[in-house]
Amino acid sequence: AQSVTQLDSHVSVSEGTPVLLRCNYSSSYSPSLFWYVQHPNKGLQLLLKYTSAATLVKGINGFEAEFKKSETSFHLTKPSAHMSDAAEYFCVVSIVGTASKLTFGTGTRLQVTL
Amino acid sequence: IAGITQAPTSQILAAGRRMTLRCTQDMRHNAMYWYRQDLGLGLRLIHYSNTAGTTGKGEVPDGYSVSRANTDDFPLTLASAVPSQTSVYFCASSDSRTSLRNEQFFGPGTRLTVL
Repeated sequence: AQSVTQLDSHVSVSEGTPVLLRCNYSSSYSPSLFWYVQHPNKGLQLLLKYTSAATLVKGINGFEAEFKKSETSFHLTKPSAHMSDAAEYFCVVSIVGTASKLTFGTGTRLQVTL
Repeated sequence: IAGITQAPTSQILAAGRRMTLRCTQDMRHNAMYWYRQDLGLGLRLIHYSNTAGTTGKGEVPDGYSVSRANTDDFPLTLASAVPSQTSVYFCASSDSRTSLRNEQFFGPGTRLTVL
């Protein structure tokens, strides 16, 4: 069984300040982990992914995430928020090698204020 | 076509009516998926297909059916729509035969309202 918990449903930051979106996962097997972003009325876009290579993963638009097995976490960070980062972010877990078993978190809405 | 397309973009439907949501991909991905997105629940898998000619049930399959006659198309049918099927529906695809295993690519979504 696998599951993912996004610890905050809503995060608000000021432009230029760091972003931290928290995600904890549970998986019986070696997981793949993803962060997807969804801008208003749009589809989902892949930000970054961890698939058992380097534990610090760099993605698009300056985002990165670190896989910490001991903490079962995969938190998403960015050093400096931009207004364009305002969106919904989804943490996703999958068992490596299983194409049909993505499990989504419930999402974190990021608000960026001036 | 580039990537995944879905049609219609949005639809208002009377309860009891039959509706088919269309999904087409041009990436030659072997696997395709249908999700519904509801506020506070994230995305939940309805049905999936690992390859043309095969389909499987996801987390919330009741009231929905799919077919996969070829690689590119994966329509989702609501035989008799009910208000609880009001949602945003996303189609996705992936290629499990390459290093992109498990990464899914999403369409723009269909917003369905059942009255």
